[in-house]
Amino acid sequence: ELTQPPSVSVSPGQTAIITCSGDKLGDKYVYWYQQRPGQSPILVIYQDTERYSGIPERFSGSSSGNTATLTISGTQAVDEADYYCQAMDSGTVVFGGGTKVTVL
Amino acid sequence: QVQLVQSGAEVRKPGASVKLSCKASGYRFTSYKIHWVRQVRQAPGQRLEWMGWIKTDDGGTRYSQNFLGRVTFSRDTSATTVYMELSSLTFEDTAVYYCARRAHIVGAADACDVWGQGTMVTVS
Repeated sequence: ELTQPPSVSVSPGQTAIITCSGDKLGDKYVYWYQQRPGQSPILVIYQDTERYSGIPERFSGSSSGNTATLTISGTQAVDEADYYCQAMDSGTVVFGGGTKVTVL
Repeated sequence: QVQLVQSGAEVRKPGASVKLSCKASGYRFTSYKIHWVRQVRQAPGQRLEWMGWIKTDDGGTRYSQNFLGRVTFSRDTSATTVYMELSSLTFEDTAVYYCARRAHIVGAADACDVWGQGTMVTVS
């Protein structure tokens, strides 16, 4: 099971930090998806820290211990969305519960 | 361009079955697994739930324990289409169902980089 905060609020231009925690998460790769309202998810980060093709540099990922983190630096209004972490567990895909990022 | 196009919305009664399709185009169909993921409304938001995958080359499958015995994946390589059939539907199966392609980047094989537009299934 992967645990995320239900919501994060951030002012435009500030930094949004989204965490994802789970048992032995440090032993696994974490992936992050963005889902804007009414749209399908898109892959943002893979292998903990790698930005997927076309993803702006303001998105970054990190991992330490049993917590992975998605950071959005200089958050823009267009970044308002739900964010989901994903990892593997014994060959099955597991998603976090999702975090709604609100840009105030 | 690479895309997955899913079939339209469905309405079913409890106890019935539903079969959804997902047509791939723009890439070599048999090179990438297709996953099925559903999104269920659960206060305070919506959660993603992995259902399993199908290997598009040989039809091999892996199902989530949560759906064992109720879900069947299949594919038609000539039509570059994958199918998902879910039986014994209950109200809790009301959700948006997505198909998604395994990512093509080395190191991202456990992620999905192309998603269908989703199919709404309502059990009512």
